[in-house]
Amino acid sequence: KNEVEQSPQNLTAQEGEFITINCSYSVGISALHWLQQHPGGGIVSLFMLSSGKKKHGRLIATINIQEKHSSLHITASHPRDSAVYICALNTDKLIFGTGTRLQVFP
Amino acid sequence: EPEVTQTPSHQVTQMGQEVILRCVPISNHLYFYWYRQILGQKVEFLVSFYNNEISEKSEIFDDQFSVERPDGSNFTLKIRSTKLEDSAMYFCASSPTGEGPYGYTFGSGTRLTVV
Repeated sequence: KNEVEQSPQNLTAQEGEFITINCSYSVGISALHWLQQHPGGGIVSLFMLSSGKKKHGRLIATINIQEKHSSLHITASHPRDSAVYICALNTDKLIFGTGTRLQVFP
Repeated sequence: EPEVTQTPSHQVTQMGQEVILRCVPISNHLYFYWYRQILGQKVEFLVSFYNNEISEKSEIFDDQFSVERPDGSNFTLKIRSTKLEDSAMYFCASSPTGEGPYGYTFGSGTRLTVV
């Protein structure tokens, strides 16, 4: 049973496009993380959300606790945004989604 | 910005050998974690550690695995007798608190290859 589902699994975009990655979950959480994993494997925390919306540069993350859904948006996408984006649920540990592989082409 | 440091970045070991993966968490964080990611799969929780003891562990974390914080700064994961299926990227993370809207900081990972 998957407690967290991400969509799409793979996403290809042209530079400049607006990107949306979705995350749905089925358990109670205290917060939700959006993480970025580059090809080398390192994980970087982008956002941690417990309600509403957060913005950092071209990245925007939203969460709807009632609907158990979160989205990560990238505006004006760039090839350097190419990475795997992972949604992770904050309980007493992190429960990771399978990730969305994003490739942005020039 | 404070970092979680993991060493080594890569480790190759023979099946049956013991390995120790090392992590230096952020100094004022209280909760420490190990996660692993088998190639092509999602990241999985292994163990959480608080107040010098394991607070939770997953089914993966069997008797082959152990963690300790030997000197108040390092946080180590030991795999006693490695198996081929232990090959993975191992991530250490730390957090100021165990739950609630506080962030995790991840190390850059140790890639373990068992041959």
